[in-house]
Amino acid sequence: NAGVTQTPKFQVLKTGQSMTLQCAQDMNHEYMSWYRQDPGMGLRLIHYSVGAGITDQGEVPNGYNVSRSTTEDFPLRLLSAAPSQTSVYFCASSPAGGLLGNQPQHFGDGTRLSIL
Amino acid sequence: DAKTTQPPSMDCAEGRAANLPCNHSTISGNEYVYWYRQIHSQGPQYIIHGLKNNETNEMASLIITEDRKSSTLILPHATLRDTAVYYCIVRPADGGATNKLIFGTGTLLAVQP
Repeated sequence: NAGVTQTPKFQVLKTGQSMTLQCAQDMNHEYMSWYRQDPGMGLRLIHYSVGAGITDQGEVPNGYNVSRSTTEDFPLRLLSAAPSQTSVYFCASSPAGGLLGNQPQHFGDGTRLSIL
Repeated sequence: DAKTTQPPSMDCAEGRAANLPCNHSTISGNEYVYWYRQIHSQGPQYIIHGLKNNETNEMASLIITEDRKSSTLILPHATLRDTAVYYCIVRPADGGATNKLIFGTGTLLAVQP
């Protein structure tokens, strides 16, 4: 009964380093997405995917890459970390098809990332 | 661009019902009302959603007014573990262009022993 699993839970990087945040879901959900949460900003959508092989940009995609080679996994890559990317990152998934608005999204517990 | 209004904070005694209000006066006919909560240091947790009718599940009940301009989330027997920020969210039936969820500032519910 894992749901959405994110790894690592915490990470500290130096400016300029790259890393990949992992997200996996075991619910066979087609839709997956990445958000970042900053104080006073709410959750902002970074990238999303409606199925394997399909990705698209959200509202704050710069500095991040994604890929979706399988239904289960949706990794988020930071190409060259910057202090402005210090944040808590959440991955979410939901079934697709039909009315997306009638499908709850389920979130992982987040990755807390600090860029020095 | 949240389309909902919630009180910033509320208190509730442990064991009592917690009634969390939400105003969504500009809601459209094809938009759902969703409730999520976020316990400190955890990801947002889905609670319940509805379109027109009242809904109940193992976590909570959702009461939507007949004109759909407001709703109330009811936690029937609040426990200390229900202390969290509760978000009321309006979503279009098709999910919108990106299916993103728009979280406002929510209501901080503090359950008191």
